[in-house]
Parts: sequence; structure tokens; C-alpha cells
Amino acid sequence: GEDVEQSLFLSVREGDSSVINCTYTDSSSTYLYWYKQEPGAGLQLLTYIFSNMDMKQDQRLTVLLNKKDKHLSLRIADTQTGDSAIYFCAESITGNTPLVFGKGTRLSVIA
Amino acid sequence: SAVISQKPSRDICQRGTSLTIQCQVDSQVTMMFWYRQQPGQSLTLIATANQGSEATYESGFVIDKFPISRPNLTFSTLTVSNMSPEDSSIYLCSALAGVPATEAFFGQGTRLTVV
Repeated sequence: GEDVEQSLFLSVREGDSSVINCTYTDSSSTYLYWYKQEPGAGLQLLTYIFSNMDMKQDQRLTVLLNKKDKHLSLRIADTQTGDSAIYFCAESITGNTPLVFGKGTRLSVIA
Repeated sequence: SAVISQKPSRDICQRGTSLTIQCQVDSQVTMMFWYRQQPGQSLTLIATANQGSEATYESGFVIDKFPISRPNLTFSTLTVSNMSPEDSSIYLCSALAGVPATEAFFGQGTRLTVV
């Protein structure tokens, strides 16, 4: 079955880079996602990557995918206090199917 | 992208009553889903809301407890029936957009407290 694992907590200093890691079990996963959830809010889609890509960059965000190891990471450059939130990794086998989520990583940014 | 409006944003309900949550998408979408997020937990899929037919429920969720409607391609409702304190949770509506439909967007959630 599908399973997505993330570490639960990460703490970084403002201005440093944050790296949030995720592993998944289903090698059929076609799309892998990163979402951000701020307190009391819904999920904000940050970015997603197709399984035939190794890397995707969008401003301060870099996603790396190691398909062989089924490992996904999200790097946030120059982390700011506004980046403090819970970050969810999610996978989808194909388009038009619901996502399977990890438990989320709580990122705390220390000023 | 798709913008999803969900209401109510929060409610406090008496046990034994029912609450209907509405989800409106600003564009036609093929797939809509309902998730539950219990405090400090990840998202659990309740069901896929199918337009014109009965919703498809995940293991552990049944239609009598969580009836879902999807009358058209932009709107869905989830009812939480005969509520108990264990139903206290955040309920989230989601829609897949894009061609192919790979971008999953979420409403802001409904925070339900059952007393």
C-alpha cells in the first residue's frame, strides 16, 4: 500500500536553508507534492514534481527527487519567520486520483 | 489553479445533531474529495465526491455517517451526521485542477467541535 513518511519537526535559524525530507513506498507514484499549512488555515500547494524529473526550482524552493531511493526533499533557501508552518509531502499514483499525505513536518524558524 | 470556498469555517455543535459543509470551486473540476484532519494529524481521505453518482468511500467511512452530494462540477457538500465528540476535527474539501488534473487545491477547512 501507499505510505509517506516525514520527520515530524525541524528547527532552523532565520536566513539559513531548511531541508525537509520525505520518503514514499509506492514506486508507481507519478506526482509528488509539497503543501504548506499555517495555523488555522487550509493547505497551500507549494509545488509538485513529476516522477520523470530530478529537480524543480521555484524561487526560494527547490525540490529534489531520488526515484531510486523513493526520496523527496524540499529545500527552502533564506528561511524566514513567515515560513514557519507544517509542511506536508504527498503522492499520487496518477492524475485524477486522491493524494496520500505524510504526517507533516513542523518547521520552526528562530529569529 | 482553482479557488475553493468552504463554509462554515468553524462550528460548535451538540452531539446527536448533523452539520452540512459546503464546498464551492470557482471553475469546473472533474475530481472533488473530502478529507478529515484530526488535531495534530495528517489528512485522511473520507471519500471521492462523484458528480451524478454516489460518492466512493474509503475504508472506515460510510454513507450513513458522511453523506456527500455533488450536484454539478463546481459544488459539493459533506454532512457529518449524528455527531459525537470523536467527530471533532478539521474537514477539508479538495479539487483536482489542470490538464491533466494533477494540481490538488484545498479549501480553508471547517473546524468542527462537538460538545
